[in-house]
Parts: sequence; structure tokens; C-alpha cells
Amino acid sequence: RKEVEQDPGPFNVPEGATVAFNCTYSNSASQSFFWYRQDCRKEPKLLMSVYSSGNEDGRFTAQLNRASQYISLLIRDSKLSDSATYLCVVNSGYSSASKIIFGSGTRLSIRP
Amino acid sequence: NAGVMQNPRHLVRRRGQEARLRCSPMKGHSHVYWYRQLPEEGLKFMVYLQKENIIDESGMPKERFSAEFPKEGPSILRIQQVVRGDSAAYFCASSPQTGQPLSGANVLTFGAGSRLTVL
Repeated sequence: RKEVEQDPGPFNVPEGATVAFNCTYSNSASQSFFWYRQDCRKEPKLLMSVYSSGNEDGRFTAQLNRASQYISLLIRDSKLSDSATYLCVVNSGYSSASKIIFGSGTRLSIRP
Repeated sequence: NAGVMQNPRHLVRRRGQEARLRCSPMKGHSHVYWYRQLPEEGLKFMVYLQKENIIDESGMPKERFSAEFPKEGPSILRIQQVVRGDSAAYFCASSPQTGQPLSGANVLTFGAGSRLTVL
């Protein structure tokens, strides 16, 4: 089982739609979680951190479910500019040798 | 405040040559990570370094690959005797520290990447 798993998509939705992705992680000791966005042939950029209580940033909402070991990203009122690959990122612990594990990404395409 | 700087942005090598990729972390960041991304695939962890120390190299291939982060100067990822399968985007990221997951202090900032093509 992969440490971090995502549905690769692609998700193809019309502009204005609401879309949600999930990401599961295998290490129950994982402590920090993030969503990154990567545009084609560009570097990943932090979209938002994911906190236990859930958090919202404009049209984006992130949730963490520790019991089921998954995080989610909800995008409301999607825009054409939201088309990208969304990477789930999990930090596996406190150790200085901890690895920050990236999921393979979920591709999202917003159509006019 | 410049971000993470990587160079070269594009590098073409013939099989058997050496590739050297450089990464200067963000100012104030002391942790450097190297990731490899193959076409249409996710980022794969390679190595995590602090100044003059390799902290975790569990993602590095056993042969031909090495990394360093000297006291002065950029971090360098070195690939000897390159093969076609080494063709990929190599991303460097830096962070100020690890160990405080809820503070956000370990958020990674990526450079624009170095794209290696092996002919």
C-alpha cells in the first residue's frame, strides 16, 4: 500500500461546479498535512495547510479525518484557472529525518 | 527575498556524461530536499540535507547519485554516467525547520526545477 494515495483523475468539470478530492495516508503517526498545486511543467506551490479542525480559504476547504486517515479538498465555484494537478502531502512525524511524502496528484480540468 | 533558486533550468547530456544540478535555498532556510518527477508521475523523495549533513538519503538510487550541501554555496545533486532513465524534472525545496508540524514551519518552498534530458 502506498503511503499516500490519491485518485489520479482526471476530473473534468464545468466552470462553476463544486469538486472534491480525497487523499488517504497509511501512517497513523502522521502529523501535518498539506495540499499543493502544480501547474503543467511548473513547480508545486503550497495551496493550503490542513488542520484538525478543518480550514477554509476562499473557495477552498480542507478537512482532516484522523480516524479514517484521509484528507479532503473541496473547491467551490470552480474557475478555469483552477485547472491543475493537486498534490496531497503528508509529513510523517517529528523526527529530523522525517520524510514529507507527496501523493501522485489528482488532475483537475475545468471546462468553460 | 529570492525564492529557491535552481540551475540550470534545462540540461542536456549524452549517456555516460555527468549531470550537476544546483540549488540555493531561500534565505534563512537550512533544510534542503531533492525530489525527482518523471513525466506524468508524482514527486519522489530523493534526499534531505542540512548544512554539511545528509539527514535522509533513503530515496537515492544506490549508485551514480550523490548529493551534498556544503557549509558555503548551494546544494548539489550529482548524477554520474547518466542513462536515459534519468531524464526527469529534479525539484529542490527548502524549509526553515522540521519537527513542529502544526506551526507550518516545515512547509516546503520549491524551486522552478531542473529538467534533465539524456540523449
